[in-house]
Amino acid sequence: QVQLEQSGAEMKMPGSSVKVSCKASGYTLTDYYIYWMRQAPGQGLEWMGWIKTNSGGTYYAQKFQGRITLTRDTSISTVYMELNNLRYDDTAIYYCARQAISGTPNYCDPWGQGTLVTVSS
Amino acid sequence: DIQMTQSPTSLSASVGDRVTITCRASRLINNWLAWYQRKPGKAPKLLIYAASTLQSGVPSRFSGGGSGTEFTLTISGLQPEDFATYYCQQGHTYPLTFGGGTKVEIK
Repeated sequence: QVQLEQSGAEMKMPGSSVKVSCKASGYTLTDYYIYWMRQAPGQGLEWMGWIKTNSGGTYYAQKFQGRITLTRDTSISTVYMELNNLRYDDTAIYYCARQAISGTPNYCDPWGQGTLVTVSS
Repeated sequence: DIQMTQSPTSLSASVGDRVTITCRASRLINNWLAWYQRKPGKAPKLLIYAASTLQSGVPSRFSGGGSGTEFTLTISGLQPEDFATYYCQQGHTYPLTFGGGTKVEIK
């Protein structure tokens, strides 16, 4: 079955970077976009950006422009989300999710299990 | 950004009840609307997309309606496994945005 497996929890210092991986299985990575969202404690779900996995093209939410980089390694069916210059309010659970329907953008399913990133000094 | 407002924020219902959740968009999004279910400690699961299309494998007791700026998710005959938090999400304009969620609890 289609699954996305994310890397484990991270604890980072303010100003540092984090790189979260998302490994796809059960389908061909390059057939679908991958989206990234996050949810901070007590906050709503927030979309961060997507990567077009066949070309590597990306689109980021303006809020994260300059701090986020999405990449992929098709040889191991894995997508990466790197967030730089971490702040305390970047503490959140980060999710990757697959484009749900081929040819139709902006709906996500399935989702990875989530990766907790804690920014703390 | 398009704001998505869900109501109610929570509700109590019994097994077998019919439940309706509303989602309003701050601007026209045509039918670019999805509904997700989220259980504690789990990732969201897509239930409905394009406002009314049931995702594969989702029980038919879930249905979606609406277009433009006002949308509904209806659960006809609430089951024990349906107690969860439900979110709407617009897919019309970047940034994609989500509603704040509606928690469906057992009465």
